Amino acid sequence: DQQVKQNSPSLSVQEGRISILNCDYTNSMFDYFLWYKKYPAEGPTFLISISSIKDKNEDGRFTVFLNKSAKHLSLHIVPSQPGDSAVYFCAASAMGGSEKLVFGKGTKLTVNP
Amino acid sequence: DAGVIQSPRHEVTEMGQEVTLRCKPISGHDYLFWYRQTMMRGLELLIYFNNNVPIDDSGMPEDRFSAKMPNASFSTLKIQPSEPRDSAVYFCASSRDRDYGYTFGSGTRLTVV
Repeated sequence: DQQVKQNSPSLSVQEGRISILNCDYTNSMFDYFLWYKKYPAEGPTFLISISSIKDKNEDGRFTVFLNKSAKHLSLHIVPSQPGDSAVYFCAASAMGGSEKLVFGKGTKLTVNP
Repeated sequence: DAGVIQSPRHEVTEMGQEVTLRCKPISGHDYLFWYRQTMMRGLELLIYFNNNVPIDDSGMPEDRFSAKMPNASFSTLKIQPSEPRDSAVYFCASSRDRDYGYTFGSGTRLTVV
């Protein structure tokens, strides 16, 4: 039972264009969402997060959008750079004292020069 | 701050042998998590600790897996006996609290032959 789904295993984008990575979740108790980036042979690194009380959070070239009614979030990268090529994981956690994150399977982004 | 330190980086062992993975969290982080990454299942939470106490071990696949955290600066994940299907990358992560995200180690790539 996958509670966090990233349906696109891979995405290829031209440098300078927008990258949009999508994530869907099924657990309506999730109230905090994060994106992690992972390079080969390294651990995932925290990128950006959003609380369910917001629908948008921006940090430089990275923006996360949350649509609670659709149980959907997306990560926009503008403009995309070759160094953004990595695997991106969506993660979510629920209230009630639960601190654990549930991760999606990841989307491999390739930004072509 | 050296980050989360995992050892060894790579481990190759024969089926039936005992394997011990080690993790040193970031000082001051009260939460420690063990994750396993495979192609099929993505990042799965195995167990997490809060203040050295195991909180949720529901992700531990079976009794062959055990984890300990004898003090705030050290944790182990042990597999005994190991099986080929245990081959994966095992990540340790620590966190001050959920609002700050997790810091992951570089992982241990385990191969059981």
